[in-house]
Order: sequence, then C-alpha cells, then structure tokens
Amino acid sequence: TQLLEQSPQFLSIQEGENLTVYCNSSSVFSSLQWYRQEPGEGPVLLVTVVTGGEVKKLKRLTFQFGDARKDSSLHITAAQPGDTGLYLCAGARAGGTSYGKLTFGQGTILTVHP
Amino acid sequence: GAGVSQSPRYKVAKRGQDVALRCDPISGHVSLFWYQQALGQGPEFLTYFQNEAQLDKSGLPSDRFFAERPEGSVSTLKIQRTQQEDSAVYLCASSGGLRDSRYEQYFGPGTRLTVT
Repeated sequence: TQLLEQSPQFLSIQEGENLTVYCNSSSVFSSLQWYRQEPGEGPVLLVTVVTGGEVKKLKRLTFQFGDARKDSSLHITAAQPGDTGLYLCAGARAGGTSYGKLTFGQGTILTVHP
Repeated sequence: GAGVSQSPRYKVAKRGQDVALRCDPISGHVSLFWYQQALGQGPEFLTYFQNEAQLDKSGLPSDRFFAERPEGSVSTLKIQRTQQEDSAVYLCASSGGLRDSRYEQYFGPGTRLTVT
C-alpha cells in the first residue's frame, strides 16, 4: 500500500516552463521532506516542512505543506536543464515505533529540454 | 568527507552468493536507516537502528536479510543466498535521531546490487 501518492510520475518540459509536482496522502505526517536524486547518487535533501500551511522558497522552487499536513506540492518556476532528475517526497511520522522513518512517494522523473 | 558513505558502490553477485554492504553514517548521528530502491521508484524502508539497537526491522523482505550496527556507528546489511529479486539499490541514511525533531535524513550514494 502506497501511503504517499506522488504525481505526475513523468514530466517532460521545455526550458523556461513552470511545473508542479503533487504529493498526497490520507495520513498525517509530522514532517515532510522533498529530495532530488540524480542517476547513480543518493537522494539529496531539498527542504523539510513541518507546519500545516507552511510555504518555503528555495530560489526557483516553492514548497507547500497542506493545512492538514497530509499533502504537499513542489512548484518550479522557469525550469532549467539542470533541474532534471528524480524528485521524491517523503513523510515522517512521530511517536510509537515510527522513529521518523520515511515513507516515500513513487517519485517524479523530470526532464527539462534545452 | 562529512557525508554518509557506502561501499561497495556496485556489487555483482551470482544467485545463491552471500553479500555484505557497508554504511558509514555521519559522525555522531544516532539514527541509521536502510532502504531498498527499485529503478525509477521511491526508496522503501528496510530497517532502523538507534545507536547499536535495531528497533525496527519490519521492512526486511525475508529472513535472508540481516543488518547489524554493533558499535553504534558503522552498519552492515547482509543478504544471504541472493536471489534475482534482490537486485536493487540499497541506500543508507543517518539522522540526528531523537535530537532532530524534523527527522531529516541524509543519504549515502547507495550500493547497486545486481544478482545474475
């Protein structure tokens, strides 16, 4: 059972276009992280959001955490070829035996063409 | 460097062989996680250590998978009698654990295991 549904799975766009990746769940998360992964490398942490309704900006990337802390989105403005990669959302739940283990979405493979 | 390191980066094993994958976490990090990642998919949780204690091994797919962290730092994931379905990238991540309420994890580059 996939607890985090990430969409779209594939995104192929031209340089300069905007895009949004969605991450949805029926579960509440204590924190939600977005990672970017390049071929042959491990995921690299981009941002962590912890407060419902929180919005964080990282240059051309805008991350939002839903009010109920069940969903999140990543918006990229004016995409560049260097943004190409696998984008992953991951949620952590506190308490019990969770210990902050991450549940990942399926990932979004983004290709930005020059 | 100060990041998480893993070795070997690539491993080819013949079906039935045993393999051992090593993870060196960030110094001082209490928590260590192992994940399995299929091509083009998100990582899936295998097991979790808090210092030397293995507190959660619910994600290990079979009793052929075994992990240890005897001194609370370096960890080894061992797979016995490898099968083709074990082919995947194995990722290790560490975090500050109980001191890190944001549960941020830092990943190593992974070990790509191919079972032939």
